[in-house]
Amino acid sequence: SQELEQSPQSLIVQEGKNLTINCTSSKTLYGLYWYKQKYGEGLIFLMMLQKGGEEKSHEKITAKLDEKKQQSSLHITASQPSHAGIYLCGAPKANKFYFGSGTKLNVKP
Amino acid sequence: NAGVTQTPKFQVLKTGQSMTLQCAQDMNHEYMSWYRQDPGMGLRLIHYSVGAGITDQGEVPNGYNVSRSTTEDFPLRLLSAAPSQTSVYFCASSSTGALSWEQYFGPGTRLTVT
Repeated sequence: SQELEQSPQSLIVQEGKNLTINCTSSKTLYGLYWYKQKYGEGLIFLMMLQKGGEEKSHEKITAKLDEKKQQSSLHITASQPSHAGIYLCGAPKANKFYFGSGTKLNVKP
Repeated sequence: NAGVTQTPKFQVLKTGQSMTLQCAQDMNHEYMSWYRQDPGMGLRLIHYSVGAGITDQGEVPNGYNVSRSTTEDFPLRLLSAAPSQTSVYFCASSSTGALSWEQYFGPGTRLTVT
């Protein structure tokens, strides 16, 4: 299996603060995906990273992939209540897809 | 487009009962999959299909059956429900599976087994 460890498990931040979520793989990554899940709903695709050193941004969310460390980070700038939810990293291996355990984010207004 | 739909949204079963969770997509995606989500464990792959007539096991397949007779539908069958199968179940689809894992998820089915 592709084991993915996320940290922290949960996070509470004040609105407007920056935050970072990490995802570390026990095996070589051939692509790393970030998804967001609003509480009680299905997952929504955020970003895909495939090359070492790649960095992508969408609105105030930036994700980076460091293949040497088998790690990815998700950074949110100036957090808003709309950023609240569960963030999950995921990676494929063969025809299967594996998720990390998720990071619960709450943003206090 | 409705995307990925799942029924029912909620279900309570007694131990030993069987049931089928329905999943359908209208995006003509070849790859479909079922996950279960338990507290603190993220999502774990139960079964997946790379196209009509082709299915395979994921990480946690025991106690579940699937079939894929059409591109659109991918039902998940619980053969004899157990309390350990209490979970939230998500169906997902993607256009090319191994080439791009941008998956589209249904809203989930919350299952309780008593």
